[in-house]
Amino acid sequence: KAGVTQTPRYLIKTRGQQVTLSCSPISGHRSVSWYQQTPGQGLQFLFEYFSETQRNKGNFPGRFSGRQFSNSRSEMNVSTLELGDSALYLCASSPGGGAAYNEQFFGPGTRLTVL
Amino acid sequence: SQQGEEDPQALSIQEGENATMNCSYKTSINNLQWYRQNSGRGLVHLILIRSNEREKHSGRLRVTLDTSKKSSSLLITASRAADTASYFCATDARGSGGSNYKLTFGKGTLLTVNP
Repeated sequence: KAGVTQTPRYLIKTRGQQVTLSCSPISGHRSVSWYQQTPGQGLQFLFEYFSETQRNKGNFPGRFSGRQFSNSRSEMNVSTLELGDSALYLCASSPGGGAAYNEQFFGPGTRLTVL
Repeated sequence: SQQGEEDPQALSIQEGENATMNCSYKTSINNLQWYRQNSGRGLVHLILIRSNEREKHSGRLRVTLDTSKKSSSLLITASRAADTASYFCATDARGSGGSNYKLTFGKGTLLTVNP
């Protein structure tokens, strides 16, 4: 099976712009979670989707949003970008719901740089 | 705040030696997972141990869990240069605004195995 894929791999944006990141889970996986990784804060949970419904969300401002499509592919959107949004954004999938209870399969991440 | 905290933050050993990393957490858990990350890339799942388990093995990896002390340890035996990576523990914690659990990561231990 193909692994989790994320596009694009690298992205450079300027403050105030918005960005959309895409994640394709492993075939058959219905749960997709998103994480932000920065040197200062480490890995932080953004949200989890299961069967097109947001199951859980982390402590991020409303500028961060996401969605999941019927084929389990997911997108996350960040509006009005700030310098502090520069990070590695990781997507992970698992077969069933409940990211906290199951092995997560991670994609390679999207490196976002905000100038 | 982070649920799990790894110790030490960095560890440097010679090939063939054993490496031990520790993780402490604050609130009761249902399970604890260990992940490895090479050079800012995606994470790879190593082991999941449930709260009613005390020890688990996978190849050269041994994980222990002491729920009374709220701590876990990851032992890598006969280390290799290819084991050089950051190692993270992750625990389940309640997400905001709901009863669903989210996966919460510590800041990791950077392991360097010198040839």
